[in-house]
Amino acid sequence: GAGVSQTPSNKVTEKGKYVELRCDPISGHTALYWYRQSLGQGPEFLIYFQGTGAADDSGLPNDRFFAVRPEGSVSTLKIQRTERGDSAVYLCASSLKGHTLHFGNGTRLTVT
Amino acid sequence: SQQGEEDPQALSIQEGENATMNCSYKTSINNLQWYRQNSGRGLVHLILIRSNEREKHSGRLRVTLDTSKKSSSLLITASRAADTASYFCATDFAGTYKYIFGTGTRLKVLA
Repeated sequence: GAGVSQTPSNKVTEKGKYVELRCDPISGHTALYWYRQSLGQGPEFLIYFQGTGAADDSGLPNDRFFAVRPEGSVSTLKIQRTERGDSAVYLCASSLKGHTLHFGNGTRLTVT
Repeated sequence: SQQGEEDPQALSIQEGENATMNCSYKTSINNLQWYRQNSGRGLVHLILIRSNEREKHSGRLRVTLDTSKKSSSLLITASRAADTASYFCATDFAGTYKYIFGTGTRLKVLA
């Protein structure tokens, strides 16, 4: 079946604007993860969901970041008042029962 | 924050040689996984080793785990130019489903 799909693949926004990044997980996968990756670094954990609820959101850097998964499938990562330091590749992954993670190709966010 | 640290940070070898990269982590785990990433986008799962296993093989990959030292190694035998990528270890944080990735090893295999 289809893999994890992330849209858009690239997003350029101005400092101070609001952005939404979307993730369509593999059908039936109960766990969904968001990571952020800067150039030359490993993926940095942001949040993961089990079903509709956030099981652990300890990686969200501040209250400008918020993520939802209202029906236990698609998830949206929302960033308010974007800052240049938010520029990175945002990766989404899904998993069946929280083992092997299946990643999308990411959204490259550039804040100018 | 990063739970794991890989070393070396970068590795350059000739095609046909073996590549070894190491991962150290901090908390107790249920399993440790290795992933590969090409061109800075999506990661691909390579292999998972559980905390009660010491060694696992998959094709040209061999993974070891030493829970007493909180470390793992990934060996790629008979490397190919197509193995050029970044490799990351990931551990479940203190036995939860929260996976924390290491800093990665950038492997370059020269043809």
